[in-house]
Amino acid sequence: SQTIHQWPATLVQPVGSPLSLECTVEGTSNPNLYWYRQAAGRGLQLLFYSVGIGQISSEVPQNLSASRPQDRQFILSSKKLLLSDSGFYLCAWTPPGRGRGEAFFGQGTRLTVV
Amino acid sequence: SQQGEEDPQALSIQEGENATMNCSYKTSINNLQWYRQNSGRGLVHLILIRSNEREKHSGRLRVTLDTSKKSSSLLITASRAADTASYFCATVHNTGGFKTIFGAGTRLFVKA
Repeated sequence: SQTIHQWPATLVQPVGSPLSLECTVEGTSNPNLYWYRQAAGRGLQLLFYSVGIGQISSEVPQNLSASRPQDRQFILSSKKLLLSDSGFYLCAWTPPGRGRGEAFFGQGTRLTVV
Repeated sequence: SQQGEEDPQALSIQEGENATMNCSYKTSINNLQWYRQNSGRGLVHLILIRSNEREKHSGRLRVTLDTSKKSSSLLITASRAADTASYFCATVHNTGGFKTIFGAGTRLFVKA
């Protein structure tokens, strides 16, 4: 069966520090991978998605970047965090291909930039 | 920009009552999905309805889709306190086809 792992669960980082959030998927090949951010009490904002290794599409200009060094690994990074980067970050995957079905989510990382 | 817009933003009902949430979107879709999120957790998929379907059932859930109005509704019948959560609609669009776009969600509170 497929599983998705996202870590860490919580993170407190000072302004100006770097960020690296990792997400891995098991049990499937060539998944579509996504990073979303959720502000408190709000919906999910799509940040990045990837349909294959090294292929990253950015949805919103921002202080963050994403990379996909391996088929089932998706990393969200920042060189210098801003206060506005605080939020709940969710990684998700969907089966390969176009719009085939449901998205499976990790448990999220709550990032607080102080 | 987000495509799905849910209403109401928040809904408070008594256990046993039905809860109805609505979602509207802007461009043509491949399918529409509903998800549930417990506080501080990831989202869990509830049900998917394809653009050529009008109604779908799953247990106490009933989803309708009206593509002419670009809207969908989620009905939870005989609600329980455990149904308390946020509910999101999500759309996968024909253009591109890889992106699942979420609305702002409806917070449902079911009082025991």
